[in-house]
Amino acid sequence: AQSVAQPEDQVNVAEGNPLTVKCTYSVSGNPYLFWYVQYPNRGLQFLLKYITGDNLVKGSYGFEAEFNKSQTSFHLKKPSALVSDSALYFCAGRDSGGTYKYIFGTGTRLKVLA
Amino acid sequence: DAGVIQSPRHEVTEMGQEVTLRCKPISGHDYLFWYRQTMMRGLELLIYFNNNVPIDDSGMPEDRFSAKMPNASFSTLKIQPSEPRDSAVYFCASSLIMGSNEQFFGPGTRLTVL
Repeated sequence: AQSVAQPEDQVNVAEGNPLTVKCTYSVSGNPYLFWYVQYPNRGLQFLLKYITGDNLVKGSYGFEAEFNKSQTSFHLKKPSALVSDSALYFCAGRDSGGTYKYIFGTGTRLKVLA
Repeated sequence: DAGVIQSPRHEVTEMGQEVTLRCKPISGHDYLFWYRQTMMRGLELLIYFNNNVPIDDSGMPEDRFSAKMPNASFSTLKIQPSEPRDSAVYFCASSLIMGSNEQFFGPGTRLTVL
């Protein structure tokens, strides 16, 4: 069965420090992988995606993610965290063929401390 | 573009009543998704449509739930009769069949069933 796992329910980081939010996947075929962010009382917003090509993907608000096929991971990173980055982050994946159905992770709450 | 539009934003109803949630996808998008978000179960895909046709409704919890898409610019999710355990935030999302594949989420409808 296909799955996306976010092993940490919450990540705390000091403002200005680098942040990493972890995601691992089990998707058949070539995976399409995504990161979304959700602020309180809002819908999910797209941050970045990996479809093919370079393993390091850059997205909105200074976020980036590294696709690692051997470790089946797609960790979200940012070199310097801001308090305003505090939110709920979702990793999602689907295979490149077949169903258009996304599999979402359970979400990781990021808290950036001033 | 106004993005995905959902109405109402908040709905409070009594157990046994019929509830109808509405969604207007982004113009030109071929896919429409309905999700439910709760603290206990996270983000769950309920059903998705392609070109107004339901493709996968395996996430619909039970027969009390139904969804329709009568045209490319409108979809409804109906719960009849509603129960307290249906209380959740319901999101609608849309995406293009070609291109980048990311989903665009609406602001959600917060449903409370008393």
